[in-house]
Amino acid sequence: GQQLNQSPQSMFIQEGEDVSMNCTSSSIFNTWLWYKQEPGEGPVLLIALYKAGELTSNGRLTAQFGITRKDSFLNISASIPSDVGIYFCAGQVGGSQGNLIFGKGTKLSVKP
Amino acid sequence: NAGVTQTPKFQVLKTGQSMTLQCAQDMNHNSMYWYRQDPGMGLRLIYYSASEGTTDKGEVPNGYNVSRLNKREFSLRLESAAPSQTSVYFCASSRDRQNSPLHFGNGTRLTVT
Repeated sequence: GQQLNQSPQSMFIQEGEDVSMNCTSSSIFNTWLWYKQEPGEGPVLLIALYKAGELTSNGRLTAQFGITRKDSFLNISASIPSDVGIYFCAGQVGGSQGNLIFGKGTKLSVKP
Repeated sequence: NAGVTQTPKFQVLKTGQSMTLQCAQDMNHNSMYWYRQDPGMGLRLIYYSASEGTTDKGEVPNGYNVSRLNKREFSLRLESAAPSQTSVYFCASSRDRQNSPLHFGNGTRLTVT
């Protein structure tokens, strides 16, 4: 079946540093989504990407939909302590949310 | 505006017991979903309901049943709980199944002993 490889699994960074994480797949996706999950809560949507090559920002977050439609990355600039959490990518095939595939997550820790 | 509400937040069951996880959304969304989250596994789809009156299996449906009671509510039932069903369960909803983001509840942490 379709799988997403998300990396890195975890990151320990200093406050103020930039962060980069990515997801790759052998399958083509029509939509890429990035979610953040904080302890004890459900995932919250950060950025949604719908077109190959699309680059979208949300504050200090920037995500891109890869040209090949098989990958996506998320960058966080000038990290702050509240950026701590688990970041998930999710890819969707054929415009159907029923086929949303999630990566295994990147756990981000930020040292003040 | 509460979004997606799940009850209970925590539950401990013994093997073989049954229970129903409740989920309700107040966003007038058409589609609803149940996921389970296990360490190192990401989120895996159990069942979904594209619209009121329909339900379909996801990636890991075995051992579960669902009911789309009305447009607002989508319940997940474990008829005979097993330790392998120890997990965190998330309900989600979306406006429809095409290109509309999922909104998640805060989860139900289930332990089966």
